[in-house]
Amino acid sequence: QLQLQESGPELVKPSETLSLTCTVSGGSISSGSYYWDWIRQPPGKGLEWIGGIYYSGSTYYNPSLNGRVSISVDTSKNQFSLKLSSVTAADTAVYYCARQYSGGGLRVDYWGQGTLVTVSS
Amino acid sequence: DIQMTQSPSSVSASVGDRVTITCRASQGISSWLAWYQQKPGKAPKLLIHTASSLQSGVPSRFSGSGSGTDFTLTISNLQSEDFATYYCQQANSFPLTFGGGTTVEIK
Repeated sequence: QLQLQESGPELVKPSETLSLTCTVSGGSISSGSYYWDWIRQPPGKGLEWIGGIYYSGSTYYNPSLNGRVSISVDTSKNQFSLKLSSVTAADTAVYYCARQYSGGGLRVDYWGQGTLVTVSS
Repeated sequence: DIQMTQSPSSVSASVGDRVTITCRASQGISSWLAWYQQKPGKAPKLLIHTASSLQSGVPSRFSGSGSGTDFTLTISNLQSEDFATYYCQQANSFPLTFGGGTTVEIK
């Protein structure tokens, strides 16, 4: 059974960089047909796709984040990571890592449990 | 970006009822639509992909339909465990976008 687990600081100061890592177990991040995504959800609000990465390193980002996002992959550790720079209180959210199936229609079939990241001084 | 609009934003229903949720895309997305269920404090769960294909392990009382810009999620014979928030997601192009959600509440 595939499992994803987010890790990283739960509190980040304004203007700093939010960094999270997702560890994948029960399957290889190098398997084809999948993107590895980050999705967030502000408290009490809806879901926002941040971006994703293919195991080869190709990345796709949400333009609404104005170039503040970087996603990388480490296939040797079966991990992928998120960096979001210049954070503000608006970036406070539960951050999910997820697997997006790309064969015949994109959909997220596995999710991490999510981690709440608060931006505050 | 493709905008996804869900309606209603909330619905009150009783166990055994039939509930229908609508999702409209701002442009045609063929059948590239997924539906998710989210319970409080939990990650979303994939219910339906490609507009009408039931994800493995999902009860058959959930069904999806539609193509182009208009889609529906129907829950037949609503069960107590179905009270949750439901989101649609367009799967046609990046950036992926979600609807605002529909909360199914107990009447």
